[in-house]
Amino acid sequence: NAGVTQTPKFQVLKTGQSMTLQCAQDMNHEYMSWYRQDPGMGLRLIHYSVGAGITDQGEVPNGYNVSRSTTEDFPLRLLSAAPSQTSVYFCASSYSYWALGSNYGYTFGSGTRLTVV
Amino acid sequence: AQTVTQSQPEMSVQEAETVTLSCTYDTSESDYYLFWYKQPPSRQMILVIRQEAYKQQNATENRFSVNFQKAAKSFSLKISDSQLGDAAMYFCAFCSKGAQKLVFGQGTRLTINP
Repeated sequence: NAGVTQTPKFQVLKTGQSMTLQCAQDMNHEYMSWYRQDPGMGLRLIHYSVGAGITDQGEVPNGYNVSRSTTEDFPLRLLSAAPSQTSVYFCASSYSYWALGSNYGYTFGSGTRLTVV
Repeated sequence: AQTVTQSQPEMSVQEAETVTLSCTYDTSESDYYLFWYKQPPSRQMILVIRQEAYKQQNATENRFSVNFQKAAKSFSLKISDSQLGDAAMYFCAFCSKGAQKLVFGQGTRLTINP
């Protein structure tokens, strides 16, 4: 049982390049989300999905796109990378959004450190 | 919108001593959950402790306990008998019942001095 798998673990991009951060979970979780972590800012929600085919914006969605075509995968796309998107990105999943408050809560991936130069 | 504030960017404590990390939050909801997550240098996010707002009793998990003051909207984490392995970034988080997201605080970096 792999849990939440994020790839790649590290990435360096040039300004204007595009890329996709991959997130996959094998726990049949309905809910998946993307956060970015910046010093002094904590974790801020980018996008989330309560089920396949359903996505919604979080606190900081600008510059990012998501889709949820399957239950297992929730990729995060940067269409034109900017230095302001340099951050550590976390994918997290839960059985369902109504389970976020439970002891099971969130399962986090190990993060992707992205640097945009 | 709910907000979570951790006013201590950094804290340090001597090994075997007790340390308290502060967290305040703002919400108009009455039914919600509060969490403390630990992030060691490995970057992995680990759930330390969870509190349900409707429970008056403070949650405890071994050396970790919370002081939940609902009226004051305060949720502090006490670590007793600090160990070197407790060194990490600690995040306070809030989730109202039925909400579709967790809201995190800014984090407190805890250093344990041997």
